[in-house]
Amino acid sequence: TQLLEQSPQFLSIQEGENLTVYCNSSSVFSSLQWYRQEPGEGPVLLVTVVTGGEVKKLKRLTFQFGDARKDSSLHITAAQPGDTGLYLCAGLNTGTASKLTFGTGTRLQVTL
Amino acid sequence: NAGVTQTPKFQVLKTGQSMTLQCAQDMNHEYMSWYRQDPGMGLRLIHYSVGAGITDQGEVPNGYNVSRSTTEDFPLRLLSAAPSQTSVYFCASRLAGGREQFFGPGTRLTVL
Repeated sequence: TQLLEQSPQFLSIQEGENLTVYCNSSSVFSSLQWYRQEPGEGPVLLVTVVTGGEVKKLKRLTFQFGDARKDSSLHITAAQPGDTGLYLCAGLNTGTASKLTFGTGTRLQVTL
Repeated sequence: NAGVTQTPKFQVLKTGQSMTLQCAQDMNHEYMSWYRQDPGMGLRLIHYSVGAGITDQGEVPNGYNVSRSTTEDFPLRLLSAAPSQTSVYFCASRLAGGREQFFGPGTRLTVL
């Protein structure tokens, strides 16, 4: 079974601070996705990274895929209360294309 | 498009009762999946389907049955509910060649 460990598990910060969430695995994935989930809703895809070393930016969010395609990070600059939510990474393999392996999740709270 | 819809939103069962969680999508997606979400464990795959008439087991299939008679619908059946099945259940769908999964709003199930 492939496992994806996220750290930290919980993060409470003030508006304007920067933060980084990590997603680590001993397995190689063909691509890595990040989702955000609001309370009472399903996860919503933020980004997919495919190439080892790839960096993608989505406004104040920066996503990086590790060179070996085993890990990823999400960096948020100048966090805002609207960034509050559960962040999930998920690994996808072409061999089992219908299966996503989800990470354990990072719950972020941004306060004023 | 309604996207992925799930019913009911909330359900309370007694141990041993049976029920069906409904999932439907109107995006003509080939792939559909069921996940359960438990605190600190991310989302775990229960069953998935790559098309009408084709289903397969995921990571945690025990105690659950599925069928896929149409492209649109993918119901999840609990034959004899147990307290260990208390969880939030999410249905998701995606195109066969796509990476983005679209999630429904979830069903919160409590088994007493």
